[in-house]
Amino acid sequence: DAKTTQPNSMESNEEEPVHLPCNHSTISGTDYIHWYRQLPSQGPEYVIHGLTSNVNNRMASLAIAEDRKSSTLILHRATLRDAAVYYCILRAVLNNAGNMLTFGGGTRLMVKP
Amino acid sequence: DGGITQSPKYLFRKEGQNVTLSCEQNLNHDAMYWYRQDPGQGLRLIYYSQIVNDFQKGDIAEGYSVSREKKESFPLTVTSAQKNPTAFYLCASRTGEGPLHFGNGTRLTVT
Repeated sequence: DAKTTQPNSMESNEEEPVHLPCNHSTISGTDYIHWYRQLPSQGPEYVIHGLTSNVNNRMASLAIAEDRKSSTLILHRATLRDAAVYYCILRAVLNNAGNMLTFGGGTRLMVKP
Repeated sequence: DGGITQSPKYLFRKEGQNVTLSCEQNLNHDAMYWYRQDPGQGLRLIYYSQIVNDFQKGDIAEGYSVSREKKESFPLTVTSAQKNPTAFYLCASRTGEGPLHFGNGTRLTVT
């Protein structure tokens, strides 16, 4: 199964943009890249996902490298409420492994006022 | 509002006892999942079910059992065979190709 690698932690200042990297060098052509975030003592919540093209929604932007071996979650203006653990996961579409949805350790984002 | 309900929020048990964690969803989702999370760690998949009366083992199924008799319910039993049962347990559901929707978890402590 394709795996992802993320930094253990990152710091940001409030009101500044944050770029959270994710490496997935063994990604296959049918793997979607998903991002979730988890606030303390809560279940994770969906943030964004994409396949090849960059994606934007009200929460964040997802920039996917041309070779798809890495991606970056972009929070345009970090707030204190964005302090969470961010998970980058891959989901295969064309086989049963796509239903496994395996999470790694994630990146703990700390936002300083 | 639709969502996933996990109960109870906190659960305490003595070692050697089986315990069942509840997960109910009213989202009409076909697939449901159980994850385990240890302090400072990511989520590990225990079991998942794509349809009623069917389920598959995840990465760490040993010591756990599940059932899926109804679409909206996917209870997880932590048996006495699970060597380190103390953890935060998360249930999730999904429909089709959509994102996972998570409950707010049950924190199980076994002493």
